[in-house]
Formats: sequence, C-alpha cells, structure tokens
Amino acid sequence: AQKVTQAQTEISVVEKEDVTLDCVYETRDTTYYLFWYKQPPSGELVFLIRRNSFDEQNEISGRYSWNFQKSTSSFNFTITASQVVDSAVYFCALSEAVKNSGGYNKLIFGAGTRLAVHP
Amino acid sequence: SQTIHQWPATLVQPVGSPLSLECTVEGTSNPNLYWYRQAAGRGLQLLFYSIGIDQISSEVPQNLSASRPQDRQFILSSKKLLLSDSGFYLCAWSDRGNSPLHFGNGTRLTVT
Repeated sequence: AQKVTQAQTEISVVEKEDVTLDCVYETRDTTYYLFWYKQPPSGELVFLIRRNSFDEQNEISGRYSWNFQKSTSSFNFTITASQVVDSAVYFCALSEAVKNSGGYNKLIFGAGTRLAVHP
Repeated sequence: SQTIHQWPATLVQPVGSPLSLECTVEGTSNPNLYWYRQAAGRGLQLLFYSIGIDQISSEVPQNLSASRPQDRQFILSSKKLLLSDSGFYLCAWSDRGNSPLHFGNGTRLTVT
C-alpha cells in the first residue's frame, strides 16, 4: 500500500539557518505524483509543489528547493535562509490511483513536520 | 480564477446535536471534491471524496455523511455528534487526474 513517512515530527531552527524536511514514500505504481503543502498557524493548506515520477530534476523556487530521488524514494524539501514566516506544518503527499473510479486519484498525506523558526 | 468557500470557520456544538458544514467552489466545473479531518496535532485523514453529483465515496466508517447536491457544493453532515468528532475539517477541490488539491480555510469543530 502507498505510504508517506515524515520522520521529523518537529524541527526548531534560528532565523537564517537552512533546514531540510525529509519525506520518504512507498508505492507500487510506476507513475505517481508527489506534493508538498504548507499549513501556517491560520490552518489553511497551501499547495507548494507537484512533481511527477518521471521528472527527477531538482526544482528551486526562491528560498525553497526540492530534491527528488527515485532511487531512495525520497522527496526532500529545503528552505534556505529560513524566516519566521516559514513557521508552519509541512506535509508531503503521494497520489494514489483509485481502482474503478474513472481516473480518480487521491492524496496520501504524511503526518507532517512542524517547523518553528525563531528570531 | 477558482475559489473555495467553507463555512462556518468555527463551531461549538453539544454532543448529540446535528452538524452541517458547507463548501462551495467557484470558477470551475465538475471538480473532484473532498472532506478531510485533522485531529489536534495530527495529520490529515480523508473522510469523503466525490467525482460528481451524488457520487460520494467514504474512506472510513464513521458518524459522518457527505452529500453533493450540486456540482460545486459539498456538504458534511452528522445526525448526532460525538466527542470524537471534534477536529479541524477541511474541504478541498481538484481537477481530474493528479492535479493538486486546493483547500478551503477549514472549520474548527469542538464538540462539548
């Protein structure tokens, strides 16, 4: 069965430090998608990135970067020069095809990593 | 652009009372719709998903039900709330396939 593991429950850093959030997944699908979401204290989930299984190219967006490695089934997220506004819970998710659903895919979320950035 | 509205933002209800949470999506048609629950300090649990009007699938047996009376309206209900129904409820929509989910602002439900 599909599974997403975020082993780090909580991380605490001081502003301007770099921090990496780990995500390891399990799937039998050959085609799949991985996602990262941010949940700030206000509660809503904000979509950050989607990556498909055929694209192992790392991606950078400002201070955010993602390292996808199929060989280790990992999709890690790094924040460079962290800021207080980065404090949030971050979720990694894996899409799972639902049989006999007419093409519906559901997301399997990890348990989340709570990041606290202190000034 | 697409927007998703979820209400109310907070709700305090006594045990045994009914529940109705509503979610509507604008700016898209025939979306997939979802209800997730997040217990305090925990991850996201998928409760229901819907790929069309009156097409609802339940992920876990529970005290809750969902309905989709219109294409862009998704309702989460309960006839009698339990203490264990307390949590943060999130509605979400997506396009077909492996599109990202877009979440509403959530409803914080406290059952007393």
